[in-house]
Amino acid sequence: DQQVKQNSPSLSVQEGRISILNCDYTNSMFDYFLWYKKYPAEGPTFLISISSIKDKNEDGRFTVFLNKSAKHLSLHIVPSQPGDSAVYFCAASGANAGGTSYGKLTFGQGTILTVHP
Amino acid sequence: ETGVTQTPRHLVMGMTNKKSLKCEQHLGHNAMYWYKQSAKKPLELMFVYNFKEQTENNSVPSRFSPECPNSSHLFLHLHTLQPEDSALYLCASSQDGGPLYEQYFGPGTRLTVT
Repeated sequence: DQQVKQNSPSLSVQEGRISILNCDYTNSMFDYFLWYKKYPAEGPTFLISISSIKDKNEDGRFTVFLNKSAKHLSLHIVPSQPGDSAVYFCAASGANAGGTSYGKLTFGQGTILTVHP
Repeated sequence: ETGVTQTPRHLVMGMTNKKSLKCEQHLGHNAMYWYKQSAKKPLELMFVYNFKEQTENNSVPSRFSPECPNSSHLFLHLHTLQPEDSALYLCASSQDGGPLYEQYFGPGTRLTVT
């Protein structure tokens, strides 16, 4: 059973507009959430994270929103740039999340973002 | 060299072969991880090493055998694999005591089992 889901396999956005990537989770013990970005032939790179004690974290053009009651988080990129085209993975973790060890990440399937010039 | 490196980048092996994947991190981290990414599936954690000790084995078949001789190096020994083991194998590292969840990934080894 997949505990972290990214239901949109792909998203296409015009340069300069907002990109919104969504992620849902089922395990209420998750207390830390991350977004990773992956270019072809490279490993995922950490982008931004949020603790469950917050509902928003912002870093430049990237903002992550967390809605704990809905078990939903989203990544907003504004303005979107062609260089943002990549696969975006949502990940979740928690020291007491179902007996998982500290540092274990559970990933979603990823969303392919394409930003058109 | 900086970051997390993995060799080889591509590997084709038969089901009776024995091969090893290598990972090296130059970040001074003391936790290392092996992940498997199959087509259209999430990254799956395979093994976790913390201070060279294996702390997680995510029900991985014994045909995958990890080795962590020191906190900078991690190996994945492969033998008698199956075609369904073909995937991208990613290594990652993180710093214990810091934000462990922020893992740094290598570029991966694309494995094809024939």
